[in-house]
Amino acid sequence: DTAVSQTPKYLVTQMGNDKSIKCEQNLGHDTMYWYKQDSKKFLKIMFSYNNKELIINETVPNRFSPKSPDKAHLNLHINSLELGDSAVYFCASSQGGGPLNTIYFGEGSWLTVV
Amino acid sequence: AQTVTQSQPEMSVQEAETVTLSCTYDTSESDYYLFWYKQPPSRQMILVIRQEAYKQQNATENRFSVNFQKAAKSFSLKISDSQLGDAAMYFCASVGRSQGNLIFGKGTKLSVKP
Repeated sequence: DTAVSQTPKYLVTQMGNDKSIKCEQNLGHDTMYWYKQDSKKFLKIMFSYNNKELIINETVPNRFSPKSPDKAHLNLHINSLELGDSAVYFCASSQGGGPLNTIYFGEGSWLTVV
Repeated sequence: AQTVTQSQPEMSVQEAETVTLSCTYDTSESDYYLFWYKQPPSRQMILVIRQEAYKQQNATENRFSVNFQKAAKSFSLKISDSQLGDAAMYFCASVGRSQGNLIFGKGTKLSVKP
């Protein structure tokens, strides 16, 4: 059983399209995250949700909108996709909501914008 | 601000030998955790080992161990008896209590030669 699962794993789409990446965790964690890994493999936090509430929102274009329908799900919707959005997006979760709890990652969603 | 620096973009080790990956960090927080994550070609982020800053004893997980030098803000990873499956990108990361999210280094690509 996959603890943090993301869909789709691979996504190729044209510029200007709108796409969503879904994430679900079955670990019972109450904090979820989205990280972006760029072409240079640099990983950076985008968003963090605790019990469905946004607690971290780094400098991310407002074309990116996270949605957390419940604490086990955190979806990422991207509007008007640009070439620079091509990256691997990782969903993650942690237990307890505190920043010092180990973060577990999903397998990543590889987005290519053409 | 919190930063993590990995000064070795690439490393190579012979199978069955030992290799040490370097990591230094900077933080103003007194309460923080340090992590090593492994990212194989599949791109999945796998937790290798973690260290609580308040613990003086170095963490170990089977063939993986750390050398945590708190005063020097150094957190190196030692891989003993290297195996072909250890070939991957290795990321050092830290999280502080007030900061709330993982800060990653730029990674070290480890190759294992048969």
